[in-house]
Amino acid sequence: DVKVTQSSRYLVKRTGEKVFLECVQDMDHENMFWYRQDPGLGLRLIYFSYDVKMKEKGDIPEGYSVSREKKERFSLILESASTSQTSMYLCASSLGSEYGNTIYFGEGSWLTVV
Amino acid sequence: SQQGEEDPQALSIQEGENATMNCSYKTSINNLQWYRQNSGRGLVHLILIRSNEREKHSGRLRVTLDTSKKSSSLLITASRAADTASYFCATALVYNFNKFYFGSGTKLNVKP
Repeated sequence: DVKVTQSSRYLVKRTGEKVFLECVQDMDHENMFWYRQDPGLGLRLIYFSYDVKMKEKGDIPEGYSVSREKKERFSLILESASTSQTSMYLCASSLGSEYGNTIYFGEGSWLTVV
Repeated sequence: SQQGEEDPQALSIQEGENATMNCSYKTSINNLQWYRQNSGRGLVHLILIRSNEREKHSGRLRVTLDTSKKSSSLLITASRAADTASYFCATALVYNFNKFYFGSGTKLNVKP
C-alpha cells in the first residue's frame, strides 16, 4: 500500500525557532510537494521537487526552504518561524508522467507558532 | 496563480440527493483531478480526467471537463452521510504537468 509519512502530526514552536518538517514516501516517486492549507484559502503550493536536489518554487515560498538529498525524503524548513506560519502542512508525492499522476498525501502536520 | 476556484464553497443536502460541485481554472491544463478530504486529514484521490476527455465515471462519481470554458464539474449521485467531506480540484499545467495546483474546496455536508 502506498504511503507518505509526515514525521510529526502536531508541533508547537516558538517565534524565531528553526523548524523542520520531514516527509518520507515509499513509492519511488520522482515528484514531491509541500502544501500549506488554511481555512478559506485551500491548498497553496510552497515548493515542489521533481528529482533529488531539484526544486521549484510554488506560490508562497517566502519564509520557507526545502531539502531533497534522497529520493524518498523531502524536508520543509522554516528558517525563523513566525506566527503567520501557523497552519496545516501537507506533504505529497507523485510519479513523473505526462499521462497524469495520482498525488498521494500524508496525513498532515499541524504547526502552531507561539 | 493557476489555482482553481471551486463553487459553491459549501453545500448541504439530504442523503439520497445528488451533489454537484464546480471547478474553474485559468490556464491550459494537461489533466484535472478531484480529491476528497475528511476533516483534518490528508487528501485522497477520487478521479482524473485528461484534457482530451470530456466525461468520466467512477462508481457514483461523474466528472465533466469543458476546456473551452476552463471548467469541470463533479457529480456525486445518491449521496450518503459518509460522503460528508471537502472536495478539491487539482490542475496539472500543460507545460509543467508534474506540478499541481489546488482550489479552495467545496465543503459538502450530507444530512442523514
